[in-house]
Amino acid sequence: NAGVTQTPKFQVLKTGQSMTLQCAQDMNHNSMYWYRQDPGMGLRLIYYSASEGTTDKGEVPNGYNVSRLNKREFSLRLESAAPSQTSVYFCASRGIFSSNQPQHFGDGTRLSIL
Amino acid sequence: AQKVTQAQTEISVVEKEDVTLDCVYETRDTTYYLFWYKQPPSGELVFLIRRNSFDEQNEISGRYSWNFQKSTSSFNFTITASQVVDSAVYFCALSEAGTNAGKSTFGDGTTLTVKP
Repeated sequence: NAGVTQTPKFQVLKTGQSMTLQCAQDMNHNSMYWYRQDPGMGLRLIYYSASEGTTDKGEVPNGYNVSRLNKREFSLRLESAAPSQTSVYFCASRGIFSSNQPQHFGDGTRLSIL
Repeated sequence: AQKVTQAQTEISVVEKEDVTLDCVYETRDTTYYLFWYKQPPSGELVFLIRRNSFDEQNEISGRYSWNFQKSTSSFNFTITASQVVDSAVYFCALSEAGTNAGKSTFGDGTTLTVKP
């Protein structure tokens, strides 16, 4: 019973390198989200996908791009990593794009940029 | 704009003490939903409870209880007879049903440490 799976779990990058964080859910959920969590702060929304084929910016989208590859998969790409992007990244999914549903989260990706 | 404030950054208690985690929210919507999530030291986020704006009934689940008061825009979480396993970061979140439907705003979290 996997739920939401994120890969990799840890990654260290050098400034300027690019990388894609992968996320897949097996719950047949329509909406998916990417958040970042910085020390002492809550989760901030980077991008979301209300349904397959759509993506929209969240609160902190600069420096990121996303792809909703299919209903299961939603990837987050850092084109040119910066130290300010050092954070823990969480992917989440929700059955429908509706506010009354809880989100299901992956275990997070810990990303350090030197 | 929606906002969630968890004023308590860190709380430390001794096992078996009761502890209340505060959550205050701001929204202009009349229909909205409030959530609590738990993030244990292992790092994953676990959904605990959801409450909608039309239901002010308090809820109890074992040692956990939630007090929702629209008059003070608060949705507080109480753990009775705390245990070491309750040590975690707890997040309160708000989702509106209007313009921002489908998106959630999280508070900064309260780190609870329960000492044996």
